[in-house]
Amino acid sequence: DVKVTQSSRYLVKRTGEKVFLECVQDMDHENMFWYRQDPGLGLRLIYFSYDVKMKEKGDIPEGYSVSREKKERFSLILESASTNQTSMYLCASSLSKTGELFFGEGSRLTVL
Amino acid sequence: GNSVTQMEGPVTLSEEAFLTINCTYTATGYPSLFWYVQYPGEGLQLLLKATKADDKGSNKGFEATYRKETTSFHLEKGSVQVSDSAVYFCALSGDQAGTALIFGKGTTLSVSS
Repeated sequence: DVKVTQSSRYLVKRTGEKVFLECVQDMDHENMFWYRQDPGLGLRLIYFSYDVKMKEKGDIPEGYSVSREKKERFSLILESASTNQTSMYLCASSLSKTGELFFGEGSRLTVL
Repeated sequence: GNSVTQMEGPVTLSEEAFLTINCTYTATGYPSLFWYVQYPGEGLQLLLKATKADDKGSNKGFEATYRKETTSFHLEKGSVQVSDSAVYFCALSGDQAGTALIFGKGTTLSVSS
């Protein structure tokens, strides 16, 4: 069964802390994505990657960075967390660039 | 660029009622269209999809038809169950090769027995 695993379901961090959100997929997909989900705003794309060591900015990349050192792993980094980054973060992968996305269960981040 | 608009919720229905969630899109070219569902406490999962005009996607009793003339992809189910309570997202493929799926804001469905 295909699987996208996000390392932490719930995190609480303080303002200014560096935060790492990890995502691993076991489907050998080349394409991986990070979305942010907020009530009333739906899903917004933060960053995506179509290959190892490459990344593309999505709609809301400010305040975030990403790392893709291995095909199966895509990390989202908040260099200095702020309260407006409190949100649900969803990682996804896909076989084709515009095909079906497979999502992880999400990581709910609270920044105090 | 491509965009999608879906009806706002919440939608509250009794069990066995008919469901329609409206979704319209703006797109260049010939995008693929999707409906995703998010059950409480879970990530999103694909419910159904259609890749060209007049295609009908179906799954778990849900259906949606890709209507190019009305730029719509409405989700329907003839008889909802309590277990269908979830958030439903309409999505379409981006307008340029290499862009990610674009999602609507989601519609919350609550079904009571």
